[in-house]
Amino acid sequence: GEDVEQSLFLSVREGDSSVINCTYTDSSSTYLYWYKQEPGAGLQLLTYIFSNMDMKQDQRLTVLLNKKDKHLSLRIADTQTGDSAIYFCAGGFSGGYNKLIFGAGTRLAVHP
Amino acid sequence: DAMVIQNPRYQVTQFGKPVTLSCSQTLNHNVMYWYQQKSSQAPKLLFHYYDKDFNNEADTPDNFQSRRPNTSFCFLDIRSPGLGDAAMYLCATSRDQNSNQPQHFGDGTRLSIL
Repeated sequence: GEDVEQSLFLSVREGDSSVINCTYTDSSSTYLYWYKQEPGAGLQLLTYIFSNMDMKQDQRLTVLLNKKDKHLSLRIADTQTGDSAIYFCAGGFSGGYNKLIFGAGTRLAVHP
Repeated sequence: DAMVIQNPRYQVTQFGKPVTLSCSQTLNHNVMYWYQQKSSQAPKLLFHYYDKDFNNEADTPDNFQSRRPNTSFCFLDIRSPGLGDAAMYLCATSRDQNSNQPQHFGDGTRLSIL
């Protein structure tokens, strides 16, 4: 079945870039999403990329997709303390209804 | 303005006492989803409605039910909550069932069981 894996924890200094990585197993994934979850809150859609794209940039966020290796990354430039949260990678798979398969989430800690 | 609204934000119920969580949306989306998220875990899909069609995930316990009386509202009913049902419950919507339609989440309801 489909599986999405992420590293569990990342610590960066304020002002540096953060790179959060994700791998997925199902090549039929058509859309790949990044969500942000702050403590006690729901999931906020950050960005998403279609599987026929290699890169998508949106202000401080850059998504890179390597389809051959089934690897997705989210780069946050100039990381701020407000970026501290859990980041979920999710795959939207074709062949049926819009079911998202989530990774376990990466906890990003930003320190001064 | 919030587009997917969940009430209440925090809910406490007693072991075995039925509880209902509510979700409303202003997006006029066709699909509404309910997820369960336990501490330090990814959200787990319980079921979803595509318009009035109910779709249950195979591993969702019978204890969990849902109602969608109209486009805007969807309810999660837990008939006899057990201690293992303590979790954050997230509601989400999407325009339709295609995977290119992102899901938009509410802020969740945190359910505690006494």
